[in-house]
Amino acid sequence: DSGVTQTPKHLITATGQRVTLRCSPRSGDLSVYWYQQSLDQGLQFLIQYYNGEERAKGNILERFSAQQFPDLHSELNLSSLELGDSALYFCASSNQPNYGYTFGSGTRLTVV
Amino acid sequence: QQQVKQSPQSLIVQKGGISIINCAYENTAFDYFPWYQQFPGKGPALLIAIRPDVSEKKEGRFTISFNKSAKQFSLHIMDSQPGDSATYFCAALGGAQKLVFGQGTRLTINP
Repeated sequence: DSGVTQTPKHLITATGQRVTLRCSPRSGDLSVYWYQQSLDQGLQFLIQYYNGEERAKGNILERFSAQQFPDLHSELNLSSLELGDSALYFCASSNQPNYGYTFGSGTRLTVV
Repeated sequence: QQQVKQSPQSLIVQKGGISIINCAYENTAFDYFPWYQQFPGKGPALLIAIRPDVSEKKEGRFTISFNKSAKQFSLHIMDSQPGDSATYFCAALGGAQKLVFGQGTRLTINP
C-alpha cells in the first residue's frame, strides 16, 4: 500500500457520460498530480494541485477538470466521454519539490 | 525540450543476466532523475533515483549511471530475476516540478 488511495479501481461507462475519479494523497503530502496512461502514450501528465490551488497543467482536455479540496483529496472529472478516453488514470502525491512522487494503484476507465 | 526518450521499448534477458535501459533528455533544468517500476494492474513505484551531481548510484542489484555532459542516464539491473519482469519508466523532474516520463520498457526475464 503506497498510501495514495484511488477510487474506484474500475469504471465502465458509455460514451457521452461523465465520471468522477477520486484520490486521497499520502498523509502530509500537499501536492497531487494526475496522470493518464494509455497503451500507446505512456504516462501523460494532466494536472497538478498544491494545497488546493492549481499549479501546473499538461495536455488536459477541456472536457476534463480537477480540483483539490481543503482536506487535500482531489477529484478528476471527465465529461462527454469518448472511446479514446479509455485508459488508466493515476494520481500521485508528494510533499517536497524536486522529489519523486508516490503513485496510487490507478482507476481503469473503460468507455464503451 | 520536455521529452525524455527511453530505449529499448522491450527487452528480454536471461535469468542472471544484466538488464540495461537507457534514457536521454534535452532540458538542462532537470535535476532529479528517478526510475519507476510498474507491475500489471499496479501504479508505478519508485525504484531508485539520482541527482546530476553524482555519476552513479547503486541500491542492491539496481544501479543508475548518469552522464551529465551527454544528457543520458541508464538503469542497470544485475543478476536479473524473473520477479524483475515489469515495465520500467525513467523520468525527469525540474523547475516545473512535474515528472516527465519516458515511454517505458517492458522487461521480461526468462527463467
